[in-house]
Amino acid sequence: GAVVSQHPSWVICKSGTSVKIECRSLDFQATTMFWYRQFPKQSLMLMATSNEGSKATYEQGVEKDKFLINHASLTLSTLTVTSAHPEDSSFYICSATHLGPEEQYFGPGTRLTVT
Amino acid sequence: GQQLNQSPQSMFIQEGEDVSMNCTSSSIFNTWLWYKQDPGEGPVLLIALYKAGELTSNGRLTAQFGITRKDSFLNISASIPSDVGIYFCAGRNYGGSQGNLIFGKGTKLSVKP
Repeated sequence: GAVVSQHPSWVICKSGTSVKIECRSLDFQATTMFWYRQFPKQSLMLMATSNEGSKATYEQGVEKDKFLINHASLTLSTLTVTSAHPEDSSFYICSATHLGPEEQYFGPGTRLTVT
Repeated sequence: GQQLNQSPQSMFIQEGEDVSMNCTSSSIFNTWLWYKQDPGEGPVLLIALYKAGELTSNGRLTAQFGITRKDSFLNISASIPSDVGIYFCAGRNYGGSQGNLIFGKGTKLSVKP
């Protein structure tokens, strides 16, 4: 149980285009999903907290107009990187809480490369 | 803001050896979690700790929630090659910003067969 999937697993896009990443909880309903960013050999950095049916809460320093988050249902949250630039290249990981806020279950991540 | 210090940063050990890593915090946490991340994958939850002093095992893994609530350790006994990966501690303080998880910088474990 508590499986989280992400799609796509990797994506290459050109600078200036937008990319959408999906995060799904496959066997449970997640009222809260989180989006993280991870640079090579670094820890996870929380970008935003997404609650179903309401606006996402962004961490300080994260541009909400650049990283659009939509949590349309209890099993799906999407992150759209708008007007992507090479510095947005990173590993994006989502997580969802299951059976309470204490434990987060992570998706496999999406490798974004902006050329 | 809150910070987690995780050590060591990396370890190179022989198969069969025991491993110990720890995290310390500048403030009190209510929850400690330990995750393992393989290259190109998302972190996988290993152990969750909810009470000060709690000692929890998961197979060859044992983790403890420090009495002061400012630290936690993870032990791996009789390491095997598949233990290779990066181990992250994470803590939550409900008094902090929205009670979100704060992650340590990770301990990279390498195991020689």
